[in-house]
Amino acid sequence: ETGVTQSPTHLIKTRGQQVTLRCSSQSGHNTVSWYQQALGQGPQFIFQYYREEENGRGNFPPRFSGLQFPNYSSELNVNALELDDSALYLCASSPGTGFKKLFFGSGTQLSVL
Amino acid sequence: DQQVKQNSPSLSVQEGRISILNCDYTNSMFDYFLWYKKYPAEGPTFLISISSIKDKNEDGRFTVFLNKSAKHLSLHIVPSQPGDSAVYFCAASGAGAGGTSYGKLTFGQGTILTVHP
Repeated sequence: ETGVTQSPTHLIKTRGQQVTLRCSSQSGHNTVSWYQQALGQGPQFIFQYYREEENGRGNFPPRFSGLQFPNYSSELNVNALELDDSALYLCASSPGTGFKKLFFGSGTQLSVL
Repeated sequence: DQQVKQNSPSLSVQEGRISILNCDYTNSMFDYFLWYKKYPAEGPTFLISISSIKDKNEDGRFTVFLNKSAKHLSLHIVPSQPGDSAVYFCAASGAGAGGTSYGKLTFGQGTILTVHP
């Protein structure tokens, strides 16, 4: 059984650029959530995708957007990058929207210069 | 608005002794609580959870206690081992009321646990 995989592991961008992060969910999991973990903080919920639709969103601006594909993999897109977007971005999957335990990938470390 | 708080940024414990990590929450709609462990360069790994209908849940060396009236939970690790050294996150979720959702975890800031040999 393959766990949650994320790519790339590290990324450096400059302010104003756009970035796309990718996530493959664990086998059999149809729900994907994205979290942002700033340095010294706990992960913060960005949004969740189920059946290729956004299913809940945290307190993040519209320049954070996502996609889910028919194979349940997902992308997180961030436009007009700001310095404060520098963080570890974590993807988590679960077998359903109401499942209480999430399984996390190792994350993508994004640095915005 | 920090709905889940871990007020101790770090904890240092001797191998073999008990580690107690604490967590407080403010949203009374939370009814499911989880602890995750995170090593550097890895994602958070599920450790143990507890539903609000219980006040204690055990799994080997790990026990989570929940005090609903105080909105407080704690994770006990006995005996502590050097391999337990990691960042521990408390997380909470709920059935959908009060802005909660089981699919959306609200995390605390984390506690760095160091277990010395």
